[in-house]
Amino acid sequence: KNEVEQSPQNLTAQEGEFITINCSYSVGISALHWLQQHPGGGIVSLFMLSSGKKKHGRLIATINIQEKHSSLHITASHPRDSAVYICAVTKGAQKLVFGQGTRLTINP
Amino acid sequence: NAGVTQTPKFRVLKTGQSMTLLCAQDMNHEYMYWYRQDPGMGLRLIHYSVGEGTTAKGEVPDGYNVSRLKKQNFLLGLESAAPSQTSVYFCASSYSINSVTPSYEQYFGPGTRLTVT
Repeated sequence: KNEVEQSPQNLTAQEGEFITINCSYSVGISALHWLQQHPGGGIVSLFMLSSGKKKHGRLIATINIQEKHSSLHITASHPRDSAVYICAVTKGAQKLVFGQGTRLTINP
Repeated sequence: NAGVTQTPKFRVLKTGQSMTLLCAQDMNHEYMYWYRQDPGMGLRLIHYSVGEGTTAKGEVPDGYNVSRLKKQNFLLGLESAAPSQTSVYFCASSYSINSVTPSYEQYFGPGTRLTVT
């Protein structure tokens, strides 16, 4: 079993819909990260959090340490949000362990 | 600042050939990492470095070597390429909060797509 599990693996939605991507982990962590990867592109860090909730524009990330679970929400989704969203956790000092990613497609 | 850059962006090798991937960062970061990304799998750590002149093995180090002769550069070498090393390779870096603690946030390069035939 992977230490970091994401669901769903693929998600297709219509423009404007509210999107939720989930991440569960099974190890002790120092921090949890949400990353975005566009097709053929590099990887960009969206959020790093160790408790509570963070918001940036239409993106919201939450984490529940007790339940070892995090969610990434996108409000008023747009086709430009189409990308792979990756959850990763920091174990120990600096090593990241990654989930498999969620491929999000937003149709106009 | 260019951030983290990787050279080359694409490369095709024949089995048994060797090559070096270069990662450079201009942010004066202490920590650098090499990952590979394969379909259906998350990124996996190959090797990492906590400072100039130091390297350490990650999750999947076999078949790769690394060097960190200068703080800004982290080289990944394939001595004898195999088809199983076909992948997209990402370099990342992070800075020190203090002398012993890295920042947990990592900055990624654009990736190198390597195909071994």
